[in-house]
Amino acid sequence: DAGITQSPRHKVTETGTPVTLRCHQTENHRYMYWYRQDPGHGLRLIHYSYGVKDTDKGEVSDGYSVSRSKTEDFLLTLESATSSQTSVYFCAIRTSGNTGELFFGEGSRLTVL
Amino acid sequence: AQKVTQAQTEISVVEKEDVTLDCVYETRDTTYYLFWYKQPPSGELVFLIRRNSFDEQNEISGRYSWNFQKSTSSFNFTITASQVVDSAVYFCALSERSGGSNYKLTFGKGTLLTVNP
Repeated sequence: DAGITQSPRHKVTETGTPVTLRCHQTENHRYMYWYRQDPGHGLRLIHYSYGVKDTDKGEVSDGYSVSRSKTEDFLLTLESATSSQTSVYFCAIRTSGNTGELFFGEGSRLTVL
Repeated sequence: AQKVTQAQTEISVVEKEDVTLDCVYETRDTTYYLFWYKQPPSGELVFLIRRNSFDEQNEISGRYSWNFQKSTSSFNFTITASQVVDSAVYFCALSERSGGSNYKLTFGKGTLLTVNP
């Protein structure tokens, strides 16, 4: 158990509404990531954070913003949700060491109508 | 640029058969890491194994084994005597250093393995 909690786990919203997903970790790991998973695409990196207030873009960052004001929380925001953002979102942490493996939360299923 | 290819989109086998999941990767780095993750029907992502680019020894863990060959840029995963509980989507992933102490993990598109009783 990597101590990662995602909330909400399920959400249905309408196009144009803002949505925030929260990732909470209990072990003070420096690196945190947001991925989305879609059929036929595997997992794709949206944004990541390498410390408090330090974030960077991944390969599919358009339409998403992130914030990390505390080590334990990494927020993913869709300012104006679109149907193309219907997906399963996974938060991940990288534990100590320089080998790069990630440990994932349970995922948040977002449906944008 | 890095790329991970899992050519097998879906595989279906009968219980007790052996099955190999293929993974081919592309990278220009000399130091990198390869991973396999399992995603069962319940949806969570489970880390299975990590190999680094300097260690080509094959690894066996129970019914699971991994064959890493740098010469062919492949990191294949074999399940021996498959069981229904092995049914899942399996992802291969490649990690390279992307500045400082950060690593960028890129996933293949996954292989759906169905083991029928």
